[in-house]
Parts: sequence; structure tokens; C-alpha cells
Amino acid sequence: NAGVTQTPKFRVLKTGQSMTLLCAQDMNHEYMYWYRQDPGMGLRLIHYSVGEGTTAKGEVPDGYNVSRLKKQNFLLGLESAAPSQTSVYFCASSYKGGRRNTEAFFGQGTRLTVV
Amino acid sequence: KQEVTQIPAALSVPEGENLVLNCSFTDSAIYNLQWFRQDPGKGLTSLLLIQSSQREQTSGRLNASLDKSSGRSTLYIAASQPGDSATYLCAVIPVMEYGNKLVFGAGTILRVKS
Repeated sequence: NAGVTQTPKFRVLKTGQSMTLLCAQDMNHEYMYWYRQDPGMGLRLIHYSVGEGTTAKGEVPDGYNVSRLKKQNFLLGLESAAPSQTSVYFCASSYKGGRRNTEAFFGQGTRLTVV
Repeated sequence: KQEVTQIPAALSVPEGENLVLNCSFTDSAIYNLQWFRQDPGKGLTSLLLIQSSQREQTSGRLNASLDKSSGRSTLYIAASQPGDSATYLCAVIPVMEYGNKLVFGAGTILRVKS
């Protein structure tokens, strides 16, 4: 049972380069999220999705784009990386609620360094 | 805006002690509260989820309580072990936030000495 899988696990980018982080979940969750974790800042929400084909901005969306073309996948894109985007990125997913609880499950993270 | 605070920021205890980690939140209108564990360089592992209608949840040596009216939750760890050393995070889902978005505390770094 894989749960939430993120790829890649590590990446070093040069300023101005682009990349896409992939998140895949096999729990049939409706909701998916991208967070970043920085020392002293805790986890902050970048973007989220409440279903296939939908996305919405979180607390710190600038410089990022997302897409959710399939229910099980949520992609986070950096079009022009900046050193301020050096961080650890976490993907999470959950059921939307109702008869199923809203427990959130997280991936193992992607450590991104922008030089 | 919902804010979550965790006290203490760091805690060091000898093996075998029972300990309590505290989490407080400013708005009592929450959908649920979730406790996570994070090992260095790793992802978040869900420990316990407490629905807003519940008072506590237990899993092995862990017990989490919720007092929604006072905006507080505690995570009790019995008979601590060196393997319990990690960062513990609590997070709430505010009722008024569409999408079940979690609001996190900054965490408590726990070290259990052998």
C-alpha cells in the first residue's frame, strides 16, 4: 500500500530553471494539497485541489502552478525557480469528509535547492 | 484567522518518563484535530485524529485529548522510549475553511535520552 508518493526526492536547480514535482496517491482521496516546510515557518499551504480538474490557491501560491488532470495525481510546477523557493515540499491527500474521516496522509517530501 | 501554538518548542526527557505535549488553537470552530510525527529528513506520519465531537483518542502508548471550548489539545506519551524522539506537530481543520485545509503549529521537538 503505497499511500502518497512524491517524485523526485531531491533536486538542485539553477535560478530561472523550471521543474515539476509529481504527487500520486492510491487511496482514492478527493482532496490533495501541496505544502512547503521552512525552518521557523512551519508548514504552509501552497495550492490545493478538491477534485479532478480543480485547483485553488493556498497561503503562499506565488511562483507556483498546479494541475490535477487525474484524481490520483497532483502536479506542482515552478516556472522560473528562485532561491526563495529552496524548501522541503510535501504533498498530502484526504477524503473530503462525510462518512469517511478527513485524516490527512503525507508523502515523504521533496528537498529542493535553488542555487 | 486560526492560529495554532505548540508548547514547549523543545523537550528533553529521560527514557521511561510519561510526558505531555500541548497544542492550543485560537478559534474553537474546528472540524477535527490531527497529531503528526516527523522524523528528521522524513515526511509526516499521522498519529491520531480527533473529530470535533470526540474528547480523546488512543493508540498504544499515545493518548490525545481535545477540549474544543478552551481551544486545547494534549498528546500524552506513556513510558517514553528513545525511538519516540522526533518532532510532533498538531494541526486543525477550521470549520469555515473550504477544502479541509490544515493549519499547523510549529511543532515540539522531543528528545528521549537513554
